[in-house]
Amino acid sequence: NAGVMQNPRHLVRRRGQEARLRCSPMKGHSHVYWYRQLPEEGLKFMVYLQKENIIDESGMPKERFSAEFPKEGPSILRIQQVVRGDSAAYFCASSPAGGAGYGYTFGSGTRLTVV
Amino acid sequence: AQSVAQPEDQVNVAEGNPLTVKCTYSVSGNPYLFWYVQYPNRGLQFLLKYITGDNLVKGSYGFEAEFNKSQTSFHLKKPSALVSDSALYFCAVRDNGNTNAGKSTFGDGTTLTVKP
Repeated sequence: NAGVMQNPRHLVRRRGQEARLRCSPMKGHSHVYWYRQLPEEGLKFMVYLQKENIIDESGMPKERFSAEFPKEGPSILRIQQVVRGDSAAYFCASSPAGGAGYGYTFGSGTRLTVV
Repeated sequence: AQSVAQPEDQVNVAEGNPLTVKCTYSVSGNPYLFWYVQYPNRGLQFLLKYITGDNLVKGSYGFEAEFNKSQTSFHLKKPSALVSDSALYFCAVRDNGNTNAGKSTFGDGTTLTVKP
């Protein structure tokens, strides 16, 4: 029973390029959450999605960042025109329902480095 | 709004001694509370949760946590620490009255170091 799969594990982009981060939730989970972890900092919420729906994007920067969770395929976090400040670990988590009583299952993260 | 505070960046204990990692929370409704552990270069792993019922919750690897409503705290404890417990620990909260019920807010983390 595979857990949450994130790829790539490591991603290097030059300033101005686009970064695409993928997340396949755990089997049977329909809710996906993206968090960002900056060096020496905690986890900051970015976005919460269900299939074909963005439920809460209050943590997403207003520009350059977008997320989707299509009917088929993984959830995608997209960062356009990356800057050095985007360098961080991006974690995806999933849960079986939006009910608050479930803990999250996390992926191993994508470490983005902008050079 | 919901928030979590982990007042200690670092906790050091000797192997075999009891450990406590502190967490306090703030929610407008009733809280759902969680502890996660993160090892270097890995994702977070779920340890335990408080939803309702008994205030003392037992979880993975011998960890437990006590929910204290009057102090709005959910401290993580273990009676006898192991060197292998050394990791980064995160407390998280969800407001069960929040329409965005799935969103958890995490503390900044506490680094636990257990010395032999």
